[in-house]
Amino acid sequence: SQQGEEDPQALSIQEGENATMNCSYKTSINNLQWYRQNSGRGLVHLILIRSNEREKHSGRLRVTLDTSKKSSSLLITASRAADTASYFCATVGKYGNKLVFGAGTILRVKS
Amino acid sequence: EAGVVQSPRYKIIEKKQPVAFWCNPISGHNTLYWYLQNLGQGPELLIRYENEEAVDDSQLPKDRFSAERLKGVDSTLKIQPAELGDSAVYLCASSLDGREGLDEQFFGPGTRLTVL
Repeated sequence: SQQGEEDPQALSIQEGENATMNCSYKTSINNLQWYRQNSGRGLVHLILIRSNEREKHSGRLRVTLDTSKKSSSLLITASRAADTASYFCATVGKYGNKLVFGAGTILRVKS
Repeated sequence: EAGVVQSPRYKIIEKKQPVAFWCNPISGHNTLYWYLQNLGQGPELLIRYENEEAVDDSQLPKDRFSAERLKGVDSTLKIQPAELGDSAVYLCASSLDGREGLDEQFFGPGTRLTVL
């Protein structure tokens, strides 16, 4: 069973625009992680945010976490064609250590 | 530094045949994971090893799936016999220490299995 649900399922934008993907989950978490998957590089870890954190940045990535709403968002600024990929949120439960993935958002950046 | 290595990359077999996948994790990583990924879905954990001990195999269909991690390094995942519904991508991942669920997991390229 999958814990997180990403929204939208698919997103198509022009190069240079910002892309926002959302993730909702059901149970209390220890941390939430975002991964990217494309055919060239497989599944790659992007960022981890702990339950006591509200926002984290990494380069052009910005992740927010709202534990009261059980939701997170991933913002990619100034998108590039190379950002085209599937993006997954994954959660680690509050009392566990297992990473549970959502179904992902397919992002297409058109040049 | 070499990443997680998996082989084969692709495998096509007929149903009821056996199949095995091999994974070599990043050197020094104590935790090894096997995931199954169906088309259009995120990966789902099959089994997690801490060194050579399988600490979470609750999602592994034990009637036909088996795994081992001898000497706490390489790992093999086997299906016998394979069924049509086993067609998927099998991903191996490793991390330094997965006991707390706080570390980054590094994924291999996966093995795409097609069962005819």
